[in-house]
Formats: sequence, structure tokens, C-alpha cells
Amino acid sequence: DQQVKQNSPSLSVQEGRISILNCDYTNSMFDYFLWYKKYPAEGPTFLISISSIKDKNEDGRFTVFLNKSAKHLSLHIVPSQPGDSAVYFCAASGEGGSEKLVFGKGTKLTVNP
Amino acid sequence: NAGVTQTPKFRILKIGQSMTLQCTQDMNHNYMYWYRQDPGMGLKLIYYSVGAGITDKGEVPNGYNVSRSTTEDFPLRLELAAPSQTSVYFCASSYPSEPQHFGDGTRLSIL
Repeated sequence: DQQVKQNSPSLSVQEGRISILNCDYTNSMFDYFLWYKKYPAEGPTFLISISSIKDKNEDGRFTVFLNKSAKHLSLHIVPSQPGDSAVYFCAASGEGGSEKLVFGKGTKLTVNP
Repeated sequence: NAGVTQTPKFRILKIGQSMTLQCTQDMNHNYMYWYRQDPGMGLKLIYYSVGAGITDKGEVPNGYNVSRSTTEDFPLRLELAAPSQTSVYFCASSYPSEPQHFGDGTRLSIL
């Protein structure tokens, strides 16, 4: 059973528009959430994280929102750029630590010029 | 600034062969990890280590062994390669409670 679910395998948006990537989780013990970005033939690169004590975290064009009651988080990218085209993984961990991450299957984002 | 370095990048093994996937990091991170990623799936944790001499199982440890004799190195050993171990393997490192930094992966095929 998947504890971290990314139900959209792919997403296509126009350059300059907003990209919204979604992630749901089932384990209520998760308290730290991360988004990683992955280009082909490279390892995942950390993008942004959020602790369960917050409901929003921003870093430049990237914002992560956390809705604990719905066990849902989302990554907003505004404005989207062609260089943002990659696979985005949602990951979660529990008990306050970053080890033992549980990853979703990823969403492939394509930003069209 | 190399970060996390994995070798080899590609390897083809025959069923029953053994091999070691190498991972080294130059960031003085205490924690190191091994993941595998199967096609269309997320990364799954195989083993991790919180410091030299300390290792622990992750979600999918069967068929693998690890050791951590130094802070820098965390090799992953496959003793009897099986087709089910065909995957892309990623090594990562981090400070405690900090985001993990990943290497570029080893693509392993077992035929």
C-alpha cells in the first residue's frame, strides 16, 4: 500500500502559468514533507520542504502548502519556466527526522514555451 | 565540489554474480542512504547509516548488504544477483534532520 500518493503521472502547462503538483499521504505519523526534482540521468535534487507545524513555505517561485486534516500537500510553481520540466517527487518522513523517507511515484511536469 | 559520487554509472550482471556499488561523499555528512528506483515507481529505501559502524535496514533490504567503515564511504553489496534487482540505485547523504543530497545513480541490469 502506498503511503505517499501522487495521482497525476504527468502535467503539462504553458510557460508563465502556474503549475500545481499534488500529493496525498495516509500515514498520520508523517511530520516532515519534501519535494525533489529530477532530470533524466541525474539524481533527485532537493527543492523545498515543510514541517507539519506550518501550512505554507515559500522559496522564490516555489511554494508548498500543507493541509494536515486532508493529508494533502501541493507544490505551486509560479511562473512556470521551460527549465522546470522534470519529474517531481513528493516525500515524507515521521518522528521529526529526515531519514527513512517515503517517496511518491512522481509527476512528470512539462512546461511548454 | 563533488557532493555524492556513485560508481559505476552502468553495469550488466549475470544471474548469480556479485558486485559492489560504490558511494562516496565529501560533505562530511553523518547520514548515508541507499535507494532503488524501479520504472514508474518512487524511490525505496534499502539501507541507511547514521554514522561509521552503524547501519540499519530500510523498506527493501533483502538481497543486499552494506557496511560503513568511514564517514565518506557507504558501499552496497549484491551477493547473488537476481533479475528482480534490475533497477536504478541512488546513494544519498545528509546531516541529521536536513534534506538528503543524491548522487546521479547506478543503472544495473541483471540478465
